[in-house]
Amino acid sequence: ETGVTQTPRHLVMGMTNKKSLKCEQHLGHNAMYWYKQSAKKPLELMFVYNFKEQTENNSVPSRFSPECPNSSHLFLHLHTLQPEDSALYLCASSQDYGTGNSPLHFGNGTRLTVT
Amino acid sequence: QQQVKQSPQSLIVQKGGISIINCAYENTAFDYFPWYQQFPGKGPALLIAIRPDVSEKKEGRFTISFNKSAKQFSLHIMDSQPGDSATYFCAAGYGAGSYQLTFGKGTKLSVIP
Repeated sequence: ETGVTQTPRHLVMGMTNKKSLKCEQHLGHNAMYWYKQSAKKPLELMFVYNFKEQTENNSVPSRFSPECPNSSHLFLHLHTLQPEDSALYLCASSQDYGTGNSPLHFGNGTRLTVT
Repeated sequence: QQQVKQSPQSLIVQKGGISIINCAYENTAFDYFPWYQQFPGKGPALLIAIRPDVSEKKEGRFTISFNKSAKQFSLHIMDSQPGDSATYFCAAGYGAGSYQLTFGKGTKLSVIP
């Protein structure tokens, strides 16, 4: 496997369920990110981790809970979601955090549907 | 102001034609302007990026034009091909730091044979 891998690709969950999204990067990068992509809206940064430490939380509701056990793995734990949380959730990584010439490398996303 | 305004929302171009996507920003502190390309079922991938010290950057058939005084930048795709059909996102950020990118809403490009 190369690049950034996200599982599952698709997820349907009820509002009372608890589920987790997984992301793994094989690029040796130090920073990892969660983005939310909704139709006709800009990509929304949710969380940033740098060397396993959370450095950004863009006012994301507590029903989204990130976890970064090491620089290669990132999880997004979901519970008590709302239908408006249905979206494509993208994981990304970059070599460095906040420095020059460090583009984002995205995974293919998890398509989440909340019923 | 953090917003990046992107237009058009969708674009249909004949094969061999020129595709042009425009973006405008308000925050003069932005100093890094990347474009990402996203195919259906895939995540966005960096296509080309520019810094405000140059007015144009070209990579193959893709060119970014940058107008600092107007706070606008655009992507030109020359000799557009059906394989270029994708959604394109412009973004703006500080010091090339990935964490502070502000994205546009995207342009869905369809190149017809």
